[in-house]
Amino acid sequence: QKEVEQNSGPLSVPEGAIASLNCTYSDRGSQSFFWYRQYSGKSPELIMFIYSNGDKEDGRFTAQLNKASQYVSLLIRDSQPSDSATYLCAVLNMDTGRRALTFGSGTRLQVQP
Amino acid sequence: DTAVSQTPKYLVTQMGNDKSIKCEQNLGHDTMYWYKQDSKKFLKIMFSYNNKELIINETVPNRFSPKSPDKAHLNLHINSLELGDSAVYFCASSLGGGGNTQNFGPGTRLTVL
Repeated sequence: QKEVEQNSGPLSVPEGAIASLNCTYSDRGSQSFFWYRQYSGKSPELIMFIYSNGDKEDGRFTAQLNKASQYVSLLIRDSQPSDSATYLCAVLNMDTGRRALTFGSGTRLQVQP
Repeated sequence: DTAVSQTPKYLVTQMGNDKSIKCEQNLGHDTMYWYKQDSKKFLKIMFSYNNKELIINETVPNRFSPKSPDKAHLNLHINSLELGDSAVYFCASSLGGGGNTQNFGPGTRLTVL
């Protein structure tokens, strides 16, 4: 079982719709959760992070965390063609001493104009 | 005013050669990382240095040797290159380790022929 799992996609949504990206993780001790966006041929850039169960909103982006279900998601409202990219989920367990992000393989999002 | 820079951007070489990738950050961060991203977009930590001290050394062949001459630089030397080493290598930096926001460099695409 992969430590962080994401559906590779592509997830295709029309412009203006809500895109929902999902991620599950296997380490119950994970404490911090991150969403990175990576455009083709570019480096990852941080969109959001979340530590507590529930929702966290930042502009058009909402991160949702459910630690009991070991599930984290990213919602993108009013999706734009410029949101088309690969979205990487990453988790962190500081207690292991490893202190490194574990990434999923990403979900490719396509927003159709 | 590039934050994290890497050289070279592209590297094409023959099997068996030795090559180096350089990374520099001007953000004043104290922690630097090397990641490998394979053809399936899976981003995996290789090494991490905090204040020039190696703190993460994942299961990486010992043909890979990182060197941190100072807090702002982290270089990666690879001996006896193999076909499987072909990937994009990203350098990143953060202030403190763990989950603090990591800034990624533009990546170095290594192709081993």
